[in-house]
Amino acid sequence: KNQVEQSPQSLIILEGKNCTLQCNYTVSPFSNLRWYKQDTGRGPVSLTIMTFSENTKSNGRYTATLDADTKQSSLHITASQLSDSASYICSGGGADGLTFGKGTHLIIQP
Amino acid sequence: DSGVTQTPKHLITATGQRVTLRCSPRSGDLSVYWYQQSLDQGLQFLIQYYNGEERAKGNILERFSAQQFPDLHSELNLSSLELGDSALYFCASSLTGGNEKLFFGSGTQLSVL
Repeated sequence: KNQVEQSPQSLIILEGKNCTLQCNYTVSPFSNLRWYKQDTGRGPVSLTIMTFSENTKSNGRYTATLDADTKQSSLHITASQLSDSASYICSGGGADGLTFGKGTHLIIQP
Repeated sequence: DSGVTQTPKHLITATGQRVTLRCSPRSGDLSVYWYQQSLDQGLQFLIQYYNGEERAKGNILERFSAQQFPDLHSELNLSSLELGDSALYFCASSLTGGNEKLFFGSGTQLSVL
């Protein structure tokens, strides 16, 4: 069964600090790994998409990494801002569509 | 704004009833996806359509059905509703349905009382 596990469940950091969110996936056959940002009451917004041949992809202050051997991905947020407060969701793409993790709830405090 | 429109935003109904959720994809997108999001389960893939044809099916209950019309809008029909069907239902669209960006609507919050 395809699974995506994210950690931590929740995280509180001070504005301006960096943080890293983790994603472990078991998706077969694997085609892509995605990170989304979801604000409360809104739909997810795509941050990055990586295929198995890509190690890293950046989108502004967001940098995602992928290790296809260990089936792990991380999302690094640099110089956090109050607007980064949201849930961050990882998903693994396989033949039967996307399998989503439950997300990391990130709170940025001033 | 993602360009994906979902209606209604909120829906309150009773057990045993039937409801229809509507989705208009981004202009030019041929593929539509439906997802269910509950607090304890996260996002669950229900079904995907491409240019009017069903392309992939996920954890969609037999009480649920969907279709994509010639103008590419899609409807998700939920029948014999149960308390456990209460959730956020999202529609997403993409250009061809491959390894490309998905654009999500703002969702329909369904409450079954």
